[in-house]
Amino acid sequence: EPEVTQTPSHQVTQMGQEVILRCVPISNHLYFYWYRQILGQKVEFLVSFYNNEISEKSEIFDDQFSVERPDGSNFTLKIRSTKLEDSAMYFCASSSGTGTEKLFFGSGTQLSVL
Amino acid sequence: QKEVEQDPGPLSVPEGAIVSLNCTYSNSAFQYFMWYRQYSRKGPELLMYTYSSGNKEDGRFTAQVDKSSKYISLFIRDSQPSDSATYLCATYVTGGFKTIFGAGTRLFVKA
Repeated sequence: EPEVTQTPSHQVTQMGQEVILRCVPISNHLYFYWYRQILGQKVEFLVSFYNNEISEKSEIFDDQFSVERPDGSNFTLKIRSTKLEDSAMYFCASSSGTGTEKLFFGSGTQLSVL
Repeated sequence: QKEVEQDPGPLSVPEGAIVSLNCTYSNSAFQYFMWYRQYSRKGPELLMYTYSSGNKEDGRFTAQVDKSSKYISLFIRDSQPSDSATYLCATYVTGGFKTIFGAGTRLFVKA
């Protein structure tokens, strides 16, 4: 069964460093998303991406964050200068159509900022 | 007022019990309602989605939406220990891209 793949599963970084989280969405999907979940809190929307541009972003997704689809298979989230409060589980998701009622999530990258 | 409210539990039931999980929402513009299951340290997995009001059944799972009271429910029949997980209700505004999740209810099914 096709699945969303995320690497690495764990990432430890120092405050102020740049990190890139990587995702391979399901191959025939067209819409791509990043969500995050701080320990013990809700899953929160960060950004959606379609046709090589951001379609919607949350107030969390400030200038420190960027997304890119560098080739036909990868989808990345970059945090330019990490803060302690960026520590969270980051989930990539994809969907096939315009309706976001059917999101397929990866297993996540646990980001720890020290 | 939070957009989606969900009792975090935990909810503990014996194997075979019928489980009822519930959420309320505030925005009348929400049209699609989803239930995701999340195992510890894993991504959410879609269980079911419904459009507008009504019931939808899939095996042991039934999703119910009452738009008049802004209330959504998930029923699990003949619950199994493997159903032990966190259940997240979710919704979004039609035409939007942002899924809004509830806090999740942690369910334990005891053998």
